[in-house]
Amino acid sequence: NAGVTQNPKFQVLKTGQSMTLQCAQDMNHNSMYWYRQDPGMGLRLIYYSASEGTTDKGEVPNGYNVSRLNKREFSLRLESAAPSQTSVYFCASSDGGSPLHFGNGTRLTVT
Amino acid sequence: AQSVTQLGSHVSVSEGALVLLRCNYSSSVPPYLFWYVQYPNQGLQLLLKYTSAATLVKGINGFEAEFKKSETSFHLTKPSAHMSDAAEYFCAVTSDTGRRALTFGSGTRLQVQP
Repeated sequence: NAGVTQNPKFQVLKTGQSMTLQCAQDMNHNSMYWYRQDPGMGLRLIYYSASEGTTDKGEVPNGYNVSRLNKREFSLRLESAAPSQTSVYFCASSDGGSPLHFGNGTRLTVT
Repeated sequence: AQSVTQLGSHVSVSEGALVLLRCNYSSSVPPYLFWYVQYPNQGLQLLLKYTSAATLVKGINGFEAEFKKSETSFHLTKPSAHMSDAAEYFCAVTSDTGRRALTFGSGTRLQVQP
C-alpha cells in the first residue's frame, strides 16, 4: 500500500518552461490537495479537489492549473515557470473524517 | 476565515527535558486541530488530532496536546524529549470537515541536544 505517490522527486526548470507534477493515491480517497512549502511560511494550499470532476482554488493558485484525471490522480501544471515558484510541492489526500495523508514531495527549482 | 500562529520558529531542548510547542488558532466556528511532524526530506505525518471529543488528545511517540477554547490554544507537549524527536512540527486547523483543506502554521523546528 503506497499511499500518496508523487513524481518527480526533484526537478530543475528554466524560467518560462512548463511541467506537470504528478500525484496518485491508492487509498480510494475522494479529496486531493496540492500545497507548496516555503521556509518560514508553512504549507499553503494551491488547489484542491473535493471529488472526482471538481477542482477549486486555494490560497495561492496564480500560475498553476490542476487536473483531476480520475479518482486516483491529481496533477499540478506550471504553464510558464517563474523563480517565485521554486518550492517544495506536496500532494495530499483525505476522505470524510480522515486526516490528510501526504506524499514525500517534489522539490522544484526554477532558475 | 481561520488561521494558526506557532510561537517560536526554533525550539531547542535537552534530551530528557519537557517539550512544549505552542499553537494558537483563530476560527469563526468550532475548529478541528491537528499536529503534524516532518522529518528531513519527507512528507508530513499526523501526530494527533482534536475533533471535538476529549480536550486532551494523545498521539504517537508520546506526544499529547490539550485544546483550550478559552485560550484558543492547542499546545503540543512531550514529557521527555528524545533525540529522534528532532524534526519540524506543524499545527493546522480546519473548520470544514467536508473539504478538509487544512490551514497550517509556519512551523517550529525542534532541536534536541544530547
